[in-house]
Amino acid sequence: KAGVTQTPRYLIKTRGQQVTLSCSPISGHRSVSWYQQTPGQGLQFLFEYFSETQRNKGNFPGRFSGRQFSNSRSEMNVSTLELGDSALYLCASSLVGLAGAPDTQYFGPGTRLTVL
Amino acid sequence: AQKITQTQPGMFVQEKEAVTLDCTYDTSDPSYGLFWYKQPSSGEMIFLIYQGSYDQQNATEGRYSLNFQKARKSANLVISASQLGDSAMYFCAMNTGFQKLVFGTGTRLLVSP
Repeated sequence: KAGVTQTPRYLIKTRGQQVTLSCSPISGHRSVSWYQQTPGQGLQFLFEYFSETQRNKGNFPGRFSGRQFSNSRSEMNVSTLELGDSALYLCASSLVGLAGAPDTQYFGPGTRLTVL
Repeated sequence: AQKITQTQPGMFVQEKEAVTLDCTYDTSDPSYGLFWYKQPSSGEMIFLIYQGSYDQQNATEGRYSLNFQKARKSANLVISASQLGDSAMYFCAMNTGFQKLVFGTGTRLLVSP
């Protein structure tokens, strides 16, 4: 079974631009979560989607948004990019994602975003 | 609030020896899951092992085992017979639901020949 895929793998943007990252979960997985990893802040949760609905959101500004499609694929968008948005963005999928029930998340290879 | 603490920024071990990576956690939720992930320099997070809060037995997956001490709120990862390919960052994480993982700061493991 294919793993989580993320596109693109690398991205270079300039301040003020916007960017869209894509994530395809493992087949059959319905929950998709996004994380930001930076040297200074470590791994931080962005948001989680299940059945096209955002169920949980981390402490990030409104410039960070996402969505999930009916086939469980997910996209995240960052508008008005800032230098501090340079990071590795990781997507993870889990099988069922029942509310209140911990479920193993499987990660994709990540998208490395550089903002100049 | 949930918190994961990894106090070892770096660890060294010789090939074929065992190594223990420390992890303590804090949560008031009775139901939670504890996870260990490996992150090589390529960046991908690789799932290693899972321990549920109600599990009576310590989890094992091949050369990986999780030393779960609930009363002490610790979930240490034990890697037996280390290999050169084990050199990577290792993250302990906790999930109390809604698929929001809280991560520790990680431990960089270096395996020497």
